[in-house]
Amino acid sequence: DAGITQSPRYKITETGRQVTLMCHQTWSHSYMFWYRQDLGHGLRLIYYSAAADITDKGEVPDGYVVSRSKTENFPLTLESATRSQTSVYFCASTRSSYNEQFFGPGTRLTVL
Amino acid sequence: QQQVKQSPQSLIVQKGGISIINCAYENTAFDYFPWYQQFPGKGPALLIAIRPDVSEKKEGRFTISFNKSAKQFSLHIMDSQPGDSATYFCAASVSGAGSYQLTFGKGTKLSVIP
Repeated sequence: DAGITQSPRYKITETGRQVTLMCHQTWSHSYMFWYRQDLGHGLRLIYYSAAADITDKGEVPDGYVVSRSKTENFPLTLESATRSQTSVYFCASTRSSYNEQFFGPGTRLTVL
Repeated sequence: QQQVKQSPQSLIVQKGGISIINCAYENTAFDYFPWYQQFPGKGPALLIAIRPDVSEKKEGRFTISFNKSAKQFSLHIMDSQPGDSATYFCAASVSGAGSYQLTFGKGTKLSVIP
């Protein structure tokens, strides 16, 4: 099916472990984004990408790494997870000539 | 620095009433102001958006009012229904910046009671 998907939908991990959250879109959108959503903070941008192999930091990038070798995929890696990274993570994408962002269903990550 | 301030944090409205959510921004370069609706367990979805060349935009029961001089915009939901119960986020971006980044408000949880 066309759209934007995220996996896993739920993840429990331990402090210090590496975790990778996957994001895949079928629209060939140029721009992709990673947000985290926390109560009282709304949606905060972690990283974004304008195209394959082009990424840039957002508001809260510390502790996260991204890559984008293919237009349709934009994985987010927590290299050494911390409890403060417990959150709901959303991936989004948009066409280069429009502002509307299409969001995935989210990944709920718990770091114990 | 919070560039988009949203209020109230939560709102309870009777069915059939008007729900009003307000946002204020600081960056005068913002030129695109969308509202997103999010149901529990789902990702946000675009509800309605406005650009500063108009003062109001209406789509069905949803209206955005925009006041450029005051740097404020608001969402009005007319004839609110229980199905409108969700979290609403205002956002803003600069179209010409090339990054299409959205700066979000912190959200308003709307509950419409029968």
